[in-house]
Amino acid sequence: RKEVEQDPGPFNVPEGATVAFNCTYSNSASQSFFWYRQDCRKEPKLLMSVYSSGNEDGRFTAQLNRASQYISLLIRDSKLSDSATYLCVVPGNYGQNFVFGPGTRLSVLP
Amino acid sequence: NAGVTQTPKFRILKIGQSMTLQCAQDMNHNYMYWYRQDPGMGLKLIYYSVGAGITDKGEVPNGYNVSRSTTEDFPLRLELAAPSQTSVYFCASSYGAEQFFGPGTRLTVL
Repeated sequence: RKEVEQDPGPFNVPEGATVAFNCTYSNSASQSFFWYRQDCRKEPKLLMSVYSSGNEDGRFTAQLNRASQYISLLIRDSKLSDSATYLCVVPGNYGQNFVFGPGTRLSVLP
Repeated sequence: NAGVTQTPKFRILKIGQSMTLQCAQDMNHNYMYWYRQDPGMGLKLIYYSVGAGITDKGEVPNGYNVSRSTTEDFPLRLELAAPSQTSVYFCASSYGAEQFFGPGTRLTVL
């Protein structure tokens, strides 16, 4: 298994829809996980951290399943402004660094 | 605070030329990173630093060099540029787990 894999996408959903992305990771010792958002031709920015079973922030919910080694990101009531690429990030093998997944692209359509 | 700044924003190099990508942060972060992102791909770690005077290789260090003489600056040096180094380069810094990214440098090697 690769260090981190994500749903390839793209996901095209209408405004108001609920959409979920999955991310699997290989390092069973990993303790902390992150979802970053990257807009087209921009730098990634932290969206959510996931340290235990999950985290919720408004319309966004991140869940962690340690037994199956995956994390998910759920977006409710999608907005046009949610259109972006969502990067799953897990701890890497080089000290204080992290491995970025290839990203899942979301397009929210009017 | 300016956060993480990178220069230049864009650059075109000829094969065999050299250049330095500049990165600076004003947040007093100990950890700094250099990533490259190829189209449709995730970020790959090139080099990272845990503090001034300390650097280490990431996943894809070949063809690059770094130095960290101060906490603020972390330049990336390309010697003998090759077409395979055409990419977007992101510098990042962190204190804890969250990484803060610069706006990126788009490099084309022809």
